[in-house]
Amino acid sequence: EVQLVESGGGLVQPGGSLRLSCAASKFTFSNYWMHWVRQAPGKGLVWVSRINDDGSSTTYADSVKGRFTISRDNAKKTLYLQMDSLRAEDTAVYYCARAPAGNSPDYWGQGTLVTVSS
Amino acid sequence: SYELTQPPSVSVSPGQTARITCSGDALPKKYANWYQQKPGQAPVLVIYEDRKRPSGIPERFSGSSSGTEATLTISGAQVEDEADYYCYSPDSSGNQEVFGGGTKLTVL
Repeated sequence: EVQLVESGGGLVQPGGSLRLSCAASKFTFSNYWMHWVRQAPGKGLVWVSRINDDGSSTTYADSVKGRFTISRDNAKKTLYLQMDSLRAEDTAVYYCARAPAGNSPDYWGQGTLVTVSS
Repeated sequence: SYELTQPPSVSVSPGQTARITCSGDALPKKYANWYQQKPGQAPVLVIYEDRKRPSGIPERFSGSSSGTEATLTISGAQVEDEADYYCYSPDSSGNQEVFGGGTKLTVL
């Protein structure tokens, strides 16, 4: 069974930084694109960012462009999301999800909560 | 920025057919995908590439797309199908991915 386990969430002050990780197992991580998706409390899903299988191509939602950086380490089977200049509106559960190349995500982790508050 | 539009809620009785729509200008050229999310759980893919069903998803779930509208159909909805449903698709450039606002399905 595919496993994706997010970590790194927590409470951070506005303007602060946080790095999320997503550890993958039980599948060939380097063959898949990966996504980050977030969900504010009581709200809908919002796509955040995507990276291709070898890390050479990334794309971001307009709301996080210039503040967030997605990356991956295929040797460690781990996806990352570096979040800088955090705002209150970034408060959400952050999910990582894998996607067959060019397709929609098919498996998701259970998410990690990020709270931006003073 | 690109948007996908869904109705906020749909309500059916058990055994009836539920239809959830998703409208977007790029849907004639881009696939629609559908996710089910139950409270406190991660989303689950129920339909991909407009009409394909992942293994393990019941046959009562089906998808279709015509023009700028995609539809998720649950034939003979069950109480356990009560959940939020989200459509998902890229914009016309393929550089941005978008979720619809979500539809709360009530089966009661």
